Amino acid sequence: GENVEQHPSTLSVQEGDSAVIKCTYSDSASNYFPWYKQELGKRPQLIIDIRSNVGEKKDQRIAVTLNKTAKHFSLHITETQPEDSAVYFCAASNNAGNMLTFGGGTRLMVKP
Amino acid sequence: DGGITQSPKYLFRKEGQNVTLSCEQNLNHDAMYWYRQDPGQGLRLIYYSQIVNDFQKGDIAEGYSVSREKKESFPLTVTSAQKNPTAFYLCASSVGRKGEAFFGQGTRLTVV
Repeated sequence: GENVEQHPSTLSVQEGDSAVIKCTYSDSASNYFPWYKQELGKRPQLIIDIRSNVGEKKDQRIAVTLNKTAKHFSLHITETQPEDSAVYFCAASNNAGNMLTFGGGTRLMVKP
Repeated sequence: DGGITQSPKYLFRKEGQNVTLSCEQNLNHDAMYWYRQDPGQGLRLIYYSQIVNDFQKGDIAEGYSVSREKKESFPLTVTSAQKNPTAFYLCASSVGRKGEAFFGQGTRLTVV
């Protein structure tokens, strides 16, 4: 089955700096890659996703890039703000259905 | 208000007791999932169902059981066979192949 690895597990940045979180996946048939943000004690919520026919997608301060050849994708947050502090999860779809396999998560801390 | 609802929010279980976590969605989604989240950890798939009356084991199904008698409902039973059930349990649903997953607010289960 699919295996998704996520790095780093924790990331601390200064407010205004950029943050980058990277994920690799194992199943070359996967073609849907969402990113979720989970604030403390709350449910994960989708912040951005990308499909394999696209190499990059941007939404205001967040962007995701996908390299299908290398089987990795990354989340980029620019001009970080304290409210960006949360745990971020990447995921990849299992081609047998809509089952998402999640990475281990990255705890992002933005210091004011 | 459409969405996915889990209950209860907090649940306490005695040793040797079975407990059932509820998950209901009114989004008309075909697929539903149960994930387990341990402190500081990622999301691990317990069971998933892509259609009524059908479900599949995920990565950590031992000690858990599910049913999918109705499209909108996917209850999870944590049995006495699950030796370390204390965790945060998240239910999710999605519309179909490679669609966005929506999460419930979670149930925090504690063994007392």
